[in-house]
Amino acid sequence: AQSVAQPEDQVNVAEGNPLTVKCTYSVSGNPYLFWYVQYPNRGLQFLLKYITGDNLVKGSYGFEAEFNKSQTSFHLKKPSALVSDSALYFCAVRDLRGNTGKLIFGQGTTLQVKP
Amino acid sequence: GAGVSQTPSNKVTEKGKYVELRCDPISGHTALYWYRQSLGQGPEFLIYFQGTGAADDSGLPNDRFFAVRPEGSVSTLKIQRTERGDSAVYLCASTKGTGGELFFGEGSRLTVL
Repeated sequence: AQSVAQPEDQVNVAEGNPLTVKCTYSVSGNPYLFWYVQYPNRGLQFLLKYITGDNLVKGSYGFEAEFNKSQTSFHLKKPSALVSDSALYFCAVRDLRGNTGKLIFGQGTTLQVKP
Repeated sequence: GAGVSQTPSNKVTEKGKYVELRCDPISGHTALYWYRQSLGQGPEFLIYFQGTGAADDSGLPNDRFFAVRPEGSVSTLKIQRTERGDSAVYLCASTKGTGGELFFGEGSRLTVL
């Protein structure tokens, strides 16, 4: 079965410090991985994706993610956190069954950046 | 429009009533998805349309839920005999094919009293 896990419900970091939001995946086949951000009372906004190629993927708002096949991880990172990065972050994997393109989401991680 | 549009943004109804939620996808996007997001949870897949047809409805929780996309653009999610457990944010997303990221609307928050 295809799935993703986000082991942390919440991550707290001080403004200016590096941040990491963790995601591990389980797929049968090559993974297609995504990160989305959700601000309060808003829809999901796409940040970045890994399909193939370089293991380090750069995305919107200075975020990047590192694909690690041996550890089946796709952690989201940013070198210097901003207070405005505080939001709910979702990791997702494409369901490879049936060629529907649908995404399977993790439970989400709340990022709190304090001034 | 520029993005996925969902109406209404908020809907409060009473238990047992019928509701319709509308999604207007990005122009030219053939693939359309409905998801449901309960409080504190990640979005859960409900149904996928490719064009006019429901290609995958495996996520619909029961036969009270139904969705249509008659002209391959706008879609309507229909919920009959609503229950309190149906309270959630219903998200719609679209994309051009099935190869890339999904573009989400801001959701319709349904509250069943």
